[in-house]
Amino acid sequence: KAGVTQTPRYLIKTRGQQVTLSCSPISGHRSVSWYQQTPGQGLQFLFEYFSETQRNKGNFPGRFSGRQFSNSRSEMNVSTLELGDSALYLCASSLSAGADTGELFFGEGSRLTVL
Amino acid sequence: GQQLNQSPQSMFIQEGEDVSMNCTSSSIFNTWLWYKQEPGEGPVLLIALYKAGELTSNGRLTAQFGITRKDSFLNISASIPSDVGIYFCAGHRLRGGATNKLIFGTGTLLAVQP
Repeated sequence: KAGVTQTPRYLIKTRGQQVTLSCSPISGHRSVSWYQQTPGQGLQFLFEYFSETQRNKGNFPGRFSGRQFSNSRSEMNVSTLELGDSALYLCASSLSAGADTGELFFGEGSRLTVL
Repeated sequence: GQQLNQSPQSMFIQEGEDVSMNCTSSSIFNTWLWYKQEPGEGPVLLIALYKAGELTSNGRLTAQFGITRKDSFLNISASIPSDVGIYFCAGHRLRGGATNKLIFGTGTLLAVQP
């Protein structure tokens, strides 16, 4: 069974640009979450999608957005990039077939560097 | 952003030693989880705990869900070099609508010397 796949793995952008990251969840998983990981703030929740709907959102500015498609694949977008957006962006999927337990399966992440 | 208090921050041990780490929160959780992250990888789920007082093992790993629901502990017995990595605790809380949102701990860096 393939795991969570994230693309691209590495990317470099300059301030003011925008970026789109992609995530393909484990087959059959319906919930996709995104986290930002930095040395200073650790792992911080960005947002969660289920059945193409955002059902939870973290405390990030509106420059951070996401969406989920009908095949459960998800994308996140960061517009007007700032130096502080440099981070490892992690996507995680969950089965969510019944009661949610928080068992997440993470991809390898997309490492974004903003210059 | 919110993070759980995890200690110790780092551990440097000899192969064969036992390891203990813990995680505390000011509020209760319905589920406690422990993840391990190795360089260049995403976190990997090690153990999930669902009930206060629960003690669960996964090989050489044993974790406990604190009776107050505000803390959790992870023990690694007879450490080996491949145990090297960063260990994160995470709490899950069901509040109102369904969610898989996790609050993560600050992490414990484990280094094992052969």
